[in-house]
Amino acid sequence: DGGITQSPKYLFRKEGQNVTLSCEQNLNHDAMYWYRQDPGQGLRLIYYSQIVNDFQKGDIAEGYSVSREKKESFPLTVTSAQKNPTAFYLCASSIYSSNQPQHFGDGTRLSIL
Amino acid sequence: RKEVEQDPGPFNVPEGATVAFNCTYSNSASQSFFWYRQDCRKEPKLLMSVYSSGNEDGRFTAQLNRASQYISLLIRDSKLSDSATYLCVVNGSPSGGYNKLIFGAGTRLAVHP
Repeated sequence: DGGITQSPKYLFRKEGQNVTLSCEQNLNHDAMYWYRQDPGQGLRLIYYSQIVNDFQKGDIAEGYSVSREKKESFPLTVTSAQKNPTAFYLCASSIYSSNQPQHFGDGTRLSIL
Repeated sequence: RKEVEQDPGPFNVPEGATVAFNCTYSNSASQSFFWYRQDCRKEPKLLMSVYSSGNEDGRFTAQLNRASQYISLLIRDSKLSDSATYLCVVNGSPSGGYNKLIFGAGTRLAVHP
């Protein structure tokens, strides 16, 4: 089955720790995205990548980093510089076209210990 | 002004009712419009794209009014399983083909017996 897989489903971070969220897709999509969702709010774009070895900051990139070494994979690292990391993190992908919708993985919930 | 605005609700309706949600967007250059459905603590899932001429998918009808910059979603014969948050999504990219989607915060629907 084609789809987007995020792992882990739940993650806990200690103070000063970096954590990495995994996102893999087998849809052969060129573009991938990371969003953050806080309760009662819309999705906010953290980073996006339109092609392998290239990525751009979204609206709230501070405290996060990404890489795109393979078309299928777009991991997100939440660094210790992100002071309020508790949120629902969603990875998405799409065909590289401005008219196509994005498809989401089932998300990772990150909490602070 | 928010780029995409929705009435947060909740809309509490009995089974069988017809309910309509509206959404306004600020970027007159937007070209792509979608409705997503998000169940509690789950990822958003594409419900339907919105086309200029309006489109229908079973009990769901979407309309676009470019002049007034709003999108609507009509649900007929509501089912208990329709209870969810409905996200209005607009392509806000001004140029360059980058598929940046702007997500509204969502309208919550609760269908009761």
